[in-house]
Amino acid sequence: DADVTQTPRNRITKTGKRIMLECSQTKGHDRMYWYRQDPGLGLRLIYYSFDVKDINKGEISDGYSVSRQAQAKFSLSLESAIPNQTALYFCATSDSSYEQYFGPGTRLTVT
Amino acid sequence: EDQVTQSPEALRLQEGESSSLNCSYTVSGLRGLFWYRQDPGKGPEFLFTLYSAGEEKEKERLKATLTKKESFLHITAPKPEDSATYLCAVRYLAGGTSYGKLTFGQGTILTVHP
Repeated sequence: DADVTQTPRNRITKTGKRIMLECSQTKGHDRMYWYRQDPGLGLRLIYYSFDVKDINKGEISDGYSVSRQAQAKFSLSLESAIPNQTALYFCATSDSSYEQYFGPGTRLTVT
Repeated sequence: EDQVTQSPEALRLQEGESSSLNCSYTVSGLRGLFWYRQDPGKGPEFLFTLYSAGEEKEKERLKATLTKKESFLHITAPKPEDSATYLCAVRYLAGGTSYGKLTFGQGTILTVHP
């Protein structure tokens, strides 16, 4: 089984809808991250969490929120999706070495 | 402005033709430089971490090196299965605090033809 899993893998939604992307990990890491990847813009950090009680904004957090339900689970929500949030979303985990391990990604399309 | 720049943007090689990818950085207080491989439609896969100038790490046909301003990913006798996007990322001190965040470069798309 994969160490970092993301659901759903693909999602098409309409403008204004609320969307939740979920991430689970079995690596036992305490640190979790959400990124988006866009062609030409690379990977950009949305939110990160160093433990269950710690949530931090990344460089592009506007329009997004997160929830750390447990050490192994970190969810990303788009409260009201807009077309420019169409992207590939990745969850990642790390331990104190900061070597990050990524999930397979969620391809989100907002029409 | 602190930044990470990778070059070239794309590189086409013949099988067996060795070459290098570059990752230059202007951040201060480097706390680690990371290399990743990403196949189309998949998440980045961790390759190496380098911490100090002069450090080298190897894995199969790949060798990563680090200086005070840049890192190189050397690919020796590449095979078609080495085709992927290679990403570098840095972790650095910001405002006197060491964050766990990584700042990624744009990546180099490597294509190895048989």
